[in-house]
Amino acid sequence: SQQGEEDPQALSIQEGENATMNCSYKTSINNLQWYRQNSGRGLVHLILIRSNEREKHSGRLRVTLDTSKKSSSLLITASRAADTASYFCATDPGGGADGLTFGKGTHLIIQP
Amino acid sequence: DTEVTQTPKHLVMGMTNKKSLKCEQHMGHRAMYWYKQKAKKPPELMFVYSYEKLSINESVPSRFSPECPNSSLLNLHLHALQPEDSALYLCASSPRPGWAQETQYFGPGTRLLVL
Repeated sequence: SQQGEEDPQALSIQEGENATMNCSYKTSINNLQWYRQNSGRGLVHLILIRSNEREKHSGRLRVTLDTSKKSSSLLITASRAADTASYFCATDPGGGADGLTFGKGTHLIIQP
Repeated sequence: DTEVTQTPKHLVMGMTNKKSLKCEQHMGHRAMYWYKQKAKKPPELMFVYSYEKLSINESVPSRFSPECPNSSLLNLHLHALQPEDSALYLCASSPRPGWAQETQYFGPGTRLLVL
């Protein structure tokens, strides 16, 4: 079952611009994670935000979490061509070791 | 060693074949996972192993048979697959079963084509 819904499904921007992706989920969570996937390969973990956190930064990434709205956003600042990838939010509704439930993903294209 | 490896990278098999996918990690992780990903879709959980024991089976057909021979190795045995089983099969691991605060480490996947 799909827990998260990403918005937009696809996003194309110019290099140097900021990219914002949103994710909504349905059940209560312990944390929410964001992963990146390049060209149908393995997923790479980007950032994890706990349910008691509202905002987290990691390099050019900024993640927010609004548990009252059951939503999260991922902001990538000063985008680069290498940021072209699919981005997925993921939750672990079972509270640990139940595996991740992924959103539908946003495909981001950075135009040089 | 901080990676999850998967072999083979690509696999083509007929519907009557038997094949196996292999996943290995040497990070001491005690939770391992199989996910299936169809084109342009998110990964979907298939199986979870906690301390080498199957803890989650997400109603996967019996033509997929997982096996965890030891804490470093995870196999997925395939038999009598259907063309709709063609997908990218991803393996992942995480350090401690039952800890929701931890990330998962993914392998590069095996791209499977069933003819």
